[in-house]
Amino acid sequence: GDSVTQMEGPVTLSEEAFLTINCTYTATGYPSLFWYVQYPGEGLQLLLKATKADDKGSNKGFEATYRKETTSFHLEKGSVQVSDSAVYFCALSDRITGKLIFGQGTTLQVKP
Amino acid sequence: GAGVSQSPSNKVTEKGKDVELRCDPISGHTALYWYRQSLGQGLEFLIYFQGNSAPDKSGLPSDRFSAERTGGSVSTLTIQRTQQEDSAVYLCASSATGIQDEQYFGPGTRLTVT
Repeated sequence: GDSVTQMEGPVTLSEEAFLTINCTYTATGYPSLFWYVQYPGEGLQLLLKATKADDKGSNKGFEATYRKETTSFHLEKGSVQVSDSAVYFCALSDRITGKLIFGQGTTLQVKP
Repeated sequence: GAGVSQSPSNKVTEKGKDVELRCDPISGHTALYWYRQSLGQGLEFLIYFQGNSAPDKSGLPSDRFSAERTGGSVSTLTIQRTQQEDSAVYLCASSATGIQDEQYFGPGTRLTVT
């Protein structure tokens, strides 16, 4: 079945450092891909998405590119802030039902 | 407008009791999803509704779990004879049509089975 694999955390960075969180997927066909974020004490929020190969999703300085050839959707940000500390989930959307299949989540801690 | 709401926000119950969790989706959203977030299993899909019907129940972990949706709106997830392994945060999400749309999540219900 479809699955998503994320790099294990926690990831600890200093403020203004470059961030990469790796995400790869296995799926039949070409699903839509998402990054969701869960800030401490808050619910899941969509961060960005891409619906087809070579699409780049971007939001709040975060970017991720849908790479069909490597089945990847890595999350990047050029300069992280303390406020980016959260748990990040990579997910794919089932093309029949739309249900989300999530990776295990990566905790990011940014220190001042 | 109002987002997805869930109630109760927290529920503590004794092993063997039944519980009902409620989800109010965004008005007009036809698709509704239930997920479960637990330390050991991460985020897992439970059930998908399109309108009042549930074409995908594949994530329900046992026959103690059931869900319904009425009027194309409110959904209730029922867990019968709760077990300690049912302890988790139960999340509800809705989307406009379901396929490839953004899903909007509620704040969740934290269920603790003692």
